[in-house]
Amino acid sequence: AQSVTQLGSHVSVSEGALVLLRCNYSSSVPPYLFWYVQYPNQGLQLLLKYTTGATLVKGINGFEAEFKKSETSFHLTKPSAHMSDAAEYFCAVSDAGGADGLTFGKGTHLIIQP
Amino acid sequence: AAGVIQSPRHLIKEKRETATLKCYPIPRHDTVYWYQQGPGQDPQFLISFYEKMQSDKGSIPDRFSAQQFSDYHSELNMSSLELGDSALYFCASSFGIIGGGTEAFFGQGTRLTVV
Repeated sequence: AQSVTQLGSHVSVSEGALVLLRCNYSSSVPPYLFWYVQYPNQGLQLLLKYTTGATLVKGINGFEAEFKKSETSFHLTKPSAHMSDAAEYFCAVSDAGGADGLTFGKGTHLIIQP
Repeated sequence: AAGVIQSPRHLIKEKRETATLKCYPIPRHDTVYWYQQGPGQDPQFLISFYEKMQSDKGSIPDRFSAQQFSDYHSELNMSSLELGDSALYFCASSFGIIGGGTEAFFGQGTRLTVV
């Protein structure tokens, strides 16, 4: 079984400040890790994913995440927040089987202060 | 580029009624996943299909059923609707199962309100 824990249901940062959204996972097999963003009343849009290889993954909109196996973490960062980054962010994991799709974390609501 | 199409976008039903949600995957995608997202909740996996066969089942109530048709579109049928079924229902499609690191593309969702 696999699970995802996102620390902080709400994160507030000032425009231009560093964004850090935390995600820890548990999986009995090597995981595939994803970050999705959801704007109000919209679907889920993939920001980035880790499958194999380089542990630092770059995604869209200036986001990146680093897979740290020893810490079972996949934290999402962005050097400088924009107002348009305000949204709900979901970390997700799938295993090699994958038939049951993605297991999502509870989500983190990112608030950008002007 | 073509995306995952879900219809209808919004649906209002009364308790004990039935509802059918449709999902049209991206062309050439052979795998469909259904998720339910309650208010303020994370998406919960309901059911998946690969090559028109059910591949896995999650927390889908017995009142719900789904299938994938020969053109790969999928329908989620919901009967004896309850107030608690009010949620955003997402469909996602992929080419191959997600487990290979394949990306899943999500539709805009169908917002079901049961009154």
